[in-house]
Amino acid sequence: EPEVTQTPSHQVTQMGQEVILRCVPISNHLYFYWYRQILGQKVEFLVSFYNNEISEKSEIFDDQFSVERPDGSNFTLKIRSTKLEDSAMYFCASGEGTEAFFGQGTRLTVV
Amino acid sequence: AQKVTQAQTEISVVEKEDVTLDCVYETRDTTYYLFWYKQPPSGELVFLIRRNSFDEQNEISGRYSWNFQKSTSSFNFTITASQVVDSAVYFCALSEAKRTDSWGKLQFGAGTQVVVTP
Repeated sequence: EPEVTQTPSHQVTQMGQEVILRCVPISNHLYFYWYRQILGQKVEFLVSFYNNEISEKSEIFDDQFSVERPDGSNFTLKIRSTKLEDSAMYFCASGEGTEAFFGQGTRLTVV
Repeated sequence: AQKVTQAQTEISVVEKEDVTLDCVYETRDTTYYLFWYKQPPSGELVFLIRRNSFDEQNEISGRYSWNFQKSTSSFNFTITASQVVDSAVYFCALSEAKRTDSWGKLQFGAGTQVVVTP
């Protein structure tokens, strides 16, 4: 069964560093999403991406964040100048217009 | 604005007991989708069910059942004869269907931790 794959599963980074979280969506999907879940809290929408551009973003998704689909298969989330409060689980999701399929998540720890 | 409320923070039951998780939602949309996800301790989100706003038929899948009542804006989830493996956080979520890409934009509730003890 096709699935959304995220790498790495866990990333530790120093405060102030840039990180790139990677996702391989399901191959025929056209819609891509990133979500964030701070430990013990609910899952929050960050951004949706369609037709090589951002279609919607939340208030959380400020200039520190960017997304890209560099090669037609990967979908990346870049976080510049990481802060301690960026520590969270980040979920990628993809869909074909009726629902979103989630990856297993990347746990980001900023120290 | 959309909103999903899961008022129960944690529910503890003994194995084989039934447990019902409440979910109340708010939306101005007439077309929307409701979801339930399970998040085990390993952290991934496991899809359980999707229901569209025009389908109020209740659903049963094995030990899981869902009760969708549009009149009370509720989409409750019952686990029958709970097992230790059911221990997880369960999230209810809502998405609008105004645009094709908005179906994947989910508004999650705060989640309910279910603890099943032997």
